[in-house]
Amino acid sequence: QKEVEQNSGPLSVPEGAIASLNCTYSDRGSQSFFWYRQYSGKSPELIMFIYSNGDKEDGRFTAQLNKASQYVSLLIRDSQPSDSATYLCAVNTFPRTNAGGTSYGKLTFGQGTILTVHP
Amino acid sequence: GAGVSQSPSNKVTEKGKDVELRCDPISGHTALYWYRQSLGQGLEFLIYFQGNSAPDKSGLPSDRFSAERTGGSVSTLTIQRTQQEDSAVYLCASSPGTQETQYFGPGTRLLVL
Repeated sequence: QKEVEQNSGPLSVPEGAIASLNCTYSDRGSQSFFWYRQYSGKSPELIMFIYSNGDKEDGRFTAQLNKASQYVSLLIRDSQPSDSATYLCAVNTFPRTNAGGTSYGKLTFGQGTILTVHP
Repeated sequence: GAGVSQSPSNKVTEKGKDVELRCDPISGHTALYWYRQSLGQGLEFLIYFQGNSAPDKSGLPSDRFSAERTGGSVSTLTIQRTQQEDSAVYLCASSPGTQETQYFGPGTRLLVL
């Protein structure tokens, strides 16, 4: 089982609709969750982060977190063609110490979901 | 302020040659990460530096890969005896500390012929 799973898509929605992007994760110790957007040929850019269960809204974007179900989602309202991109879910875990040393919570990324918003 | 910068932006090399990729993090950011992204794939974690702590090298795919961070700022990722499967975009990110947002550089596109 992959640590962070996303439906690769492509997800196609009409302009003005709500796009719903989903992500599940396997590590119950995960503490913080990030959504990045990546346009073709560009580097990822942060959209939102969420730490607590529930919803977090920022403009047209809403992140939803359910730690009991190990599920995080991103809703994009009033989708625009400029929202067409790959959306990466990333999960951060508290520091872990093992024989190899201490890791301070590197991000683990999902494979990304390709979103296409058509006019 | 200035973001994360990486150089070169593109690198073409021959199989078996060594390459060095450079990352300049955002000033004041103590954490620095290297990732690799193959065409159409997600981000693969390579290595992580946090302050003066020992780096987390758990993602390095082989001993041909190494990285250092001098003076807690600039980092260099070195790939020795490059192979065609090393062709990818190498992304660097920095953050103010642990459990915080990472900011990505533009990446270095490496092509091994």
